[in-house]
Amino acid sequence: AQSVTQLDSQVPVFEEAPVELRCNYSSSVSVYLFWYVQYPNQGLQLLLKYLSGSTLVESINGFEAEFNKSQTSFHLRKPSVHISDTAEYFCAVTAGSGGGADGLTFGKGTHLIIQP
Amino acid sequence: DTAVSQTPKYLVTQMGNDKSIKCEQNLGHDTMYWYKQDSKKFLKIMFSYNNKELIINETVPNRFSPKSPDKAHLNLHINSLELGDSAVYFCASRLTTGNYGYTFGSGTRLTVV
Repeated sequence: AQSVTQLDSQVPVFEEAPVELRCNYSSSVSVYLFWYVQYPNQGLQLLLKYLSGSTLVESINGFEAEFNKSQTSFHLRKPSVHISDTAEYFCAVTAGSGGGADGLTFGKGTHLIIQP
Repeated sequence: DTAVSQTPKYLVTQMGNDKSIKCEQNLGHDTMYWYKQDSKKFLKIMFSYNNKELIINETVPNRFSPKSPDKAHLNLHINSLELGDSAVYFCASRLTTGNYGYTFGSGTRLTVV
């Protein structure tokens, strides 16, 4: 079984400042990793994912995350945040078995608050 | 052209009632899921269906029963609703081969009074 720890429940950041949202996972098998974003009163949107290959993955709106196997981490970063980035961010993991019907195991979420 | 659609979006009902939430996906995915998001925003998987077979049942009370008439639909039936069932329920789907993208619906906010 897998587990995910998001160390910060809430991260306040000033607009245009950089931000890092931390995510650590635990698994006895190889994993696929995801970041989802949930804007207020909306569903979950995939931000980015790591399946294999390059350990640095990027999203279209300026976020990036780096898979670090030795530290079992998948931290999310953005060099300059905007008010519109205010949302709940979820890190999730599933077994990288390449098949089956495995669901996602989510962390408890990090509320990113952008201050003007 | 919504990829994963859930109905209703909001559901308010009394304790003891029986209710259903419907989910449909038009992505050609072969696996569908139900997740529950509690008041603290914690997301936990409840069920998954792959080719009409239940794959996961994560200690969910048997008052909850998923029903899949075909691989594009996964409905959630809840009997004898309790106050603790109040939550947001998300449907999701994916293709078990390929790029491992999970697509989520917009959620159903269930309030039991």
